[in-house]
Amino acid sequence: DQQVKQNSPSLSVQEGRISILNCDYTNSMFDYFLWYKKYPAEGPTFLISISSIKDKNEDGRFTVFLNKSAKHLSLHIVPSQPGDSAVYFCAVFGAGTYKYIFGTGTRLKVLA
Amino acid sequence: DTGVSQNPRHKITKRGQNVTFRCDPISEHNRLYWYRQTLGQGPEFLTYFQNEAQLEKSRLLSDRFSAERPKGSFSTLEIQRTEQGDSAMYLCASIQGGFNEQFFGPGTRLTVL
Repeated sequence: DQQVKQNSPSLSVQEGRISILNCDYTNSMFDYFLWYKKYPAEGPTFLISISSIKDKNEDGRFTVFLNKSAKHLSLHIVPSQPGDSAVYFCAVFGAGTYKYIFGTGTRLKVLA
Repeated sequence: DTGVSQNPRHKITKRGQNVTFRCDPISEHNRLYWYRQTLGQGPEFLTYFQNEAQLEKSRLLSDRFSAERPKGSFSTLEIQRTEQGDSAMYLCASIQGGFNEQFFGPGTRLTVL
C-alpha cells in the first residue's frame, strides 16, 4: 500500500516560470513533511520541510504548502532555474514510528 | 569532507555471496537510517538506529539482512546469500538529535549477477 504518492512522474517547465510538484499521503497522523532533491549518482539532498502545525514554509525560491484536510503537500519553485532539474521526492514522518516514507519522485526538467 | 560517507560505492557480486556495506555518518549525528532504492522508486526504509540501539526494522528486511552500529558511530549492513532481487542502491542517512532533516550519503550500488 502506497502511503505517499507523487502522481506526476515528470514535469517540464520553462526557465523563470513556476514549478509545482505535488504529493499526497494517506495517514493523517503524519506530523512532519519534507522535500528532497536528487541528482544522478548522488544521494538525496534535503531541500525544505514543514511540520503539521503550519500550512506554509518558505526558503528563498522554495515554498512548501501543506493542506492537512486534503492530505496534500506541494512544493513551489519560483523562478525555476536549469540547475533545479533533478528528481524531487516528498517524504513524511511520524504516525508513531521512526520511519520516513518517501514518494516515488517527480523528475523536473527546467528548459532554458 | 564532513558529510555522510559510504563504502564501497559500487559492488558487483555473484548470487549466493555475502556482502557488507559501511556507512560513516556525520560525527555529531546520533540517529542513522538505512534505505534501499530501486529504479523509479523512492528510498525504501530498511532500519533505524539511535546511537547503537536498533529501534526499528522494516518487515521487508528478511533474515538475510542484518545491520549493526556497534559503538554508535559507523554502521554496517550485511546481506547474506545475495539474490538478484537484492540489486539496488543502498543509502545511509544520519540525523542530529532533535532535528528531522536527514543527510544522505552517496549510496552503494549493488549488482548481483
